[in-house]
Amino acid sequence: QVQLVQSGAEVKKPGSSVKVSCKASGGTFINYAISWVRQAPGQGLEWMGEIIPILGTVNYAQKFQGRVTITADESTSTAYMELSSLRSEDTAVYFCARVHGDYAPFDYWGQGTLVTVSS
Amino acid sequence: DIQMTQSPSTLSASVGDRVTITCRASQSVSSWLAWYQQKPGKAPKLLIYKASSLQSGVPSRFSGSGSGTEFTLNISSLQPDDFATYYCQQYNSYPYTFGQGTKLEIK
Repeated sequence: QVQLVQSGAEVKKPGSSVKVSCKASGGTFINYAISWVRQAPGQGLEWMGEIIPILGTVNYAQKFQGRVTITADESTSTAYMELSSLRSEDTAVYFCARVHGDYAPFDYWGQGTLVTVSS
Repeated sequence: DIQMTQSPSTLSASVGDRVTITCRASQSVSSWLAWYQQKPGKAPKLLIYKASSLQSGVPSRFSGSGSGTEFTLNISSLQPDDFATYYCQQYNSYPYTFGQGTKLEIK
């Protein structure tokens, strides 16, 4: 059974950075992509970017280009999302989600990590 | 970017009702369209992929249809557990985009 387990909640100051982890179990990590999706309080879902470990490629949403870095450590089956220059509008729950194959939906999701940006 | 527009934004219905949610894409996404259900404080759950394929374990009262730019999610007979927010999402091309969500409320 595939599971994605994320790191715990964070409270950050404006201008700082946050790094959220997503550890996968079940399945073969290198064979699928991991996307990051965020959800601000009371709002909808917003895709941030995706890493495809087997290809070594990363795609980012234009909105976050330059501020977000997505990486993966195949040895620990863990993906990471780092967001820098945090502002209050980045307060949100951040989810990782698995994409298994080409043209595939998000079939498994992490439990979400609340990042609060506050001075 | 491909814009996804859902309607309605809010839907009030009763247990046993049949409901339909619509999703429109600003350009063709072929059949690369998924539907998710989300409950408060939880991660979204995949219901339908490739526009009309039912994800394993999802009740058969859920069904999807459409292709190109027009899609629908149908719930044939609402159960108490179905009251949640529903999102469509295109995965035809980057950046992946979601509809704004449809909140299904108890009438």
